[in-house]
Amino acid sequence: GQQVMQIPQYQHVQEGEDFTTYCNSSTTLSNIQWYKQRPGGHPVFLIQLVKSGEVKKQKRLTFQFGEAKKNSSLHITATQTTDVGTYFCAGNTGNQFYFGTGTSLTVIP
Amino acid sequence: EAEVAQSPRYKITEKSQAVAFWCDPISGHATLYWYRQILGQGPELLVQFQDESVVDDSQLPKDRFSAERLKGVDSTLKIQPAELGDSAMYLCASSLSPYGETQYFGPGTRLLVL
Repeated sequence: GQQVMQIPQYQHVQEGEDFTTYCNSSTTLSNIQWYKQRPGGHPVFLIQLVKSGEVKKQKRLTFQFGEAKKNSSLHITATQTTDVGTYFCAGNTGNQFYFGTGTSLTVIP
Repeated sequence: EAEVAQSPRYKITEKSQAVAFWCDPISGHATLYWYRQILGQGPELLVQFQDESVVDDSQLPKDRFSAERLKGVDSTLKIQPAELGDSAMYLCASSLSPYGETQYFGPGTRLLVL
């Protein structure tokens, strides 16, 4: 079964509001990757975090890897309509790679 | 920019028929992945190749699914016979090496089994 869960499953925000999705694994991850999938599209790599407690920023996006390497978060500041899509975390547990359940973001203009 | 190619983009078939999907990874990428994505869910890894060898097929329903990458370049995923529950998007991805490398996804093949 699915070992990497994300919450919330869906999020609707007004344009300009912030957005956060949380990723939780039942086991320790060697790394965490984040992907974005636009409606009707395929997953596109955003970033990878490797170190415990690591924080990385890409413009309005902030990614964090938990100290125990079992959880991660993606925060978007001041959402724009171009941020619409489903955000997936993914990571290696041992020698297996799992995608999270995803958070679907809708931005209302 | 190099891309992962997949064909066909769409496939409609009747249950009990055989279907095959093709994937050509980015040149030089040793690792190739096949995923199944059901609408509203995250991609589920079906099989992972390192060059021509299968390194993980634990989630592949082997009674009906098969995958090969004979020359370690392009790959084919086959379903025989197809069942109604196989309707999904089948995504191919590739990376330079396994375990922690960025995966580049193709556009996918959307399968509808009637």
